[in-house]
Amino acid sequence: DTGVSQDPRHKITKRGQNVTFRCDPISEHNRLYWYRQTLGQGPEFLTYFQNEAQLEKSRLLSDRFSAERPKGSFSTLEIQRTEQGDSAMYLCASSSPRTLQRDSYEQYFGPGTRLTVT
Amino acid sequence: SQQGEEDPQALSIQEGENATMNCSYKTSINNLQWYRQNSGRGLVHLILIRSNEREKHSGRLRVTLDTSKKSSSLLITASRAADTASYFCAYPPLFGNEKLTFGTGTRLTIIP
Repeated sequence: DTGVSQDPRHKITKRGQNVTFRCDPISEHNRLYWYRQTLGQGPEFLTYFQNEAQLEKSRLLSDRFSAERPKGSFSTLEIQRTEQGDSAMYLCASSSPRTLQRDSYEQYFGPGTRLTVT
Repeated sequence: SQQGEEDPQALSIQEGENATMNCSYKTSINNLQWYRQNSGRGLVHLILIRSNEREKHSGRLRVTLDTSKKSSSLLITASRAADTASYFCAYPPLFGNEKLTFGTGTRLTIIP
């Protein structure tokens, strides 16, 4: 399977604990995105990487959140001191870079990590 | 915050009928995309329409875009049970990276 993979698929944690999620994008994609989706809503952008550089972070990403993409391949999203409001589906997506022939590409999403904070 | 709104929020139709869902957005765009999400396959890209296009077809899908009204519609013809899913419109900013702003989604249920 050469799609985007995420691990774990489900995570239940107690409030105050730290959690870390992993995303493996499609190998030839240099762009990687994290989104968060709550029940009944569309995904909301969290952060974006081009290769290993984190180029943009949403205001949704508080100081308790940190994301890395150390070698420009897989990425991790860590949430420290989790709160009940962090309960959501965390989605990772990747895409190809723009070219002169194509100015926009669709994003390929992983299955998501569902976080439940109790 | 999300800047796209979709209408209706939920839609139930009989198998074989056509389903139409609408999306409105608030900013200038250079393309708009539609995605489908169900529990089995996650979020999947369906179709992309550019700002200089007014209509695009892909199989049983027909997308229209009216940039003057900042709206788009997705038509699914001859619906099947497998079309049951949530449908989202999404668009990247005019400049910068291609982070997507998603609509609120339409929950489509096809009744066999």
